[in-house]
Amino acid sequence: TQLLEQSPQFLSIQEGENLTVYCNSSSVFSSLQWYRQEPGEGPVLLVTVVTGGEVKKLKRLTFQFGDARKDSSLHITAAQPGDTGLYLCAGAKGGSARQLTFGSGTQLTVLP
Amino acid sequence: GAGVSQTPSNKVTEKGKYVELRCDPISGHTALYWYRQSLGQGPEFLIYFQGTGAADDSGLPNDRFFAVRPEGSVSTLKIQRTERGDSAVYLCASSLQGDTQYFGPGTRLTVL
Repeated sequence: TQLLEQSPQFLSIQEGENLTVYCNSSSVFSSLQWYRQEPGEGPVLLVTVVTGGEVKKLKRLTFQFGDARKDSSLHITAAQPGDTGLYLCAGAKGGSARQLTFGSGTQLTVLP
Repeated sequence: GAGVSQTPSNKVTEKGKYVELRCDPISGHTALYWYRQSLGQGPEFLIYFQGTGAADDSGLPNDRFFAVRPEGSVSTLKIQRTERGDSAVYLCASSLQGDTQYFGPGTRLTVL
């Protein structure tokens, strides 16, 4: 049972479009992380958000942590084919990122 | 520097056999984690080592699964009497204390 629900599960868009991926839970997390995973590789950390309401930007990617620290979103502006991959959110409880609970992921395909 | 490496990259075995999966963490990383990722799912936590000891093994599904890290570096995940349901990608990650986890490419286990 996944405590973190991600939506949509699959997303296929054209290059240049914007998109938002959601990560929701009924649990409160001390921090939430977003990863991107490509086929045959392990997840790679994109960002960690810690404070409720926090917004972080990484080039064309904008990450937001909900005020109650139960949900998060990832917005990509002007998507490019290189953004294609599996996007995973992961919540941590307690003072460190030792125990991560992952969502089921959003498979993003950006078509040229 | 070198990242987390895992061997073998692929392992095919028959139901009932014993398998060992190896993880070489990033040099100097004291924490080591094992996850299991089934098709279409996010990684699921199995066990976490701090140094040589298993600090948290609450994610191991049953007593057929066991992991060791005898010298505080390389770790081996051992699965006895494999079942078809054990088929998955087994991911290893390492970190400095409880900091950012760096994942290896995983071992794809197929139980026939």
